[in-house]
Amino acid sequence: GQNIDQPTEMTATEGAIVQINCTYQTSGFNGLFWYQQHAGEAPTFLSYNVLDGLEEKGRFSSFLSRSKGYSYLLLKELQMKDSASYLCAVRDGGYNKLIFGAGTRLAVHP
Amino acid sequence: EAQVTQNPRYLITVTGKKLTVTCSQNMNHEYMSWYRQDPGLGLRQIYYSMNVEVTDKGDVPEGYKVSRKEKRNFPLILESPSPNQTSLYFCASSSPGQGAYEQYFGPGTRLTVT
Repeated sequence: GQNIDQPTEMTATEGAIVQINCTYQTSGFNGLFWYQQHAGEAPTFLSYNVLDGLEEKGRFSSFLSRSKGYSYLLLKELQMKDSASYLCAVRDGGYNKLIFGAGTRLAVHP
Repeated sequence: EAQVTQNPRYLITVTGKKLTVTCSQNMNHEYMSWYRQDPGLGLRQIYYSMNVEVTDKGDVPEGYKVSRKEKRNFPLILESPSPNQTSLYFCASSSPGQGAYEQYFGPGTRLTVT
């Protein structure tokens, strides 16, 4: 079957670093996405990995290991505005077929 | 401004009363999708469209219909809504010719069926 797992909730301190993990089992794989979603708002695109390794974009980095079915999102220098849900999604074959995890709700406190 | 718009943003209706949620994008994207988001379940794809007049079922299509008569519009139709369709709905669009082909989401429609 198809499954994407990520922790339900995490907490972290302002200025710190947090790593959000995602493991997946899908019938096909054509890339992994991370989205950020603030409460009551639309998801917004953060990162995309299709090859193994680390992609860095400012304070955010994303890592992929296809052989292990594993990804993580690393957030550095946490700010209060980073309090949001982080969604892991796998493109399963076709360009328009995205399978989402349930999301990780991150709370950043002072 | 490049965007995906949805209307209405909030809707309370009764069981069995047909409704349509509109979705429009101004980015000339080929691909469009509808998702529903429920607590603990994440985003689940209802229907998607690869281009005009080309649609297909996602993971949870029961009780929904879609049409794609124009490239920019992708309405979601609930012929006979039921309380289990109470949810937060998102429309999204993307294009295969642009980078990671990431999906751009509309602002969401919160639907309550009583």
